[in-house]
Amino acid sequence: QKEVEQNSGPLSVPEGAIASLNCTYSDRGSQSFFWYRQYSGKSPELIMFIYSNGDKEDGRFTAQLNKASQYVSLLIRDSQPSDSATYLCAVNSGGSNYKLTFGKGTLLTVNP
Amino acid sequence: DAGVIQSPRHEVTEMGQEVTLRCKPISGHNSLFWYRQTMMRGLELLIYFNNNVPIDDSGMPEDRFSAKMPNASFSTLKIQPSEPRDSAVYFCASSPDRNTDTQYFGPGTRLTVL
Repeated sequence: QKEVEQNSGPLSVPEGAIASLNCTYSDRGSQSFFWYRQYSGKSPELIMFIYSNGDKEDGRFTAQLNKASQYVSLLIRDSQPSDSATYLCAVNSGGSNYKLTFGKGTLLTVNP
Repeated sequence: DAGVIQSPRHEVTEMGQEVTLRCKPISGHNSLFWYRQTMMRGLELLIYFNNNVPIDDSGMPEDRFSAKMPNASFSTLKIQPSEPRDSAVYFCASSPDRNTDTQYFGPGTRLTVL
């Protein structure tokens, strides 16, 4: 059973702070890693993907990947109340390039 | 461009009834996915189509569930007979091609089986 684990939270940070979201995965063969944001009652929305070890930055978001430790993280700088949502980590699994295994998500609350 | 379209957005039915969920993928996308999301199990892939052909249905929970994609612009997920444990949000997603990891999700159908 390929697994993706996330702390369910809630993670609460003040506005302007850095939010750090973490994810571990069990399938060492995974090659693609994604972060989706899901607002309450809405569908998941892709915000970042990363394929290589290291950091990838996109605006206020930075994804970090460490394949040796089977660890993916998402940093959100200058957190805004509009960032309050559940963040889903997803990993391709089973050696496929389409099959994504999702974590159950971390609920982030940014307090004004 | 319109995103993935799903209907109905909400469905309430009684146990034993047939339920049909519908999805229109993004035009030009040839990969389509059906997911189910519950609090207990999170987001799970049910079935994956590529070029209208079912490629992976290993996530379909049991024979009560069936999915079809008669053409590139339409797919259905049917549950017959429905049970209370089928209550969940069902998402359809599409992707430009099978070698692209990026999946775009529809708004979902919230199904309640009484």
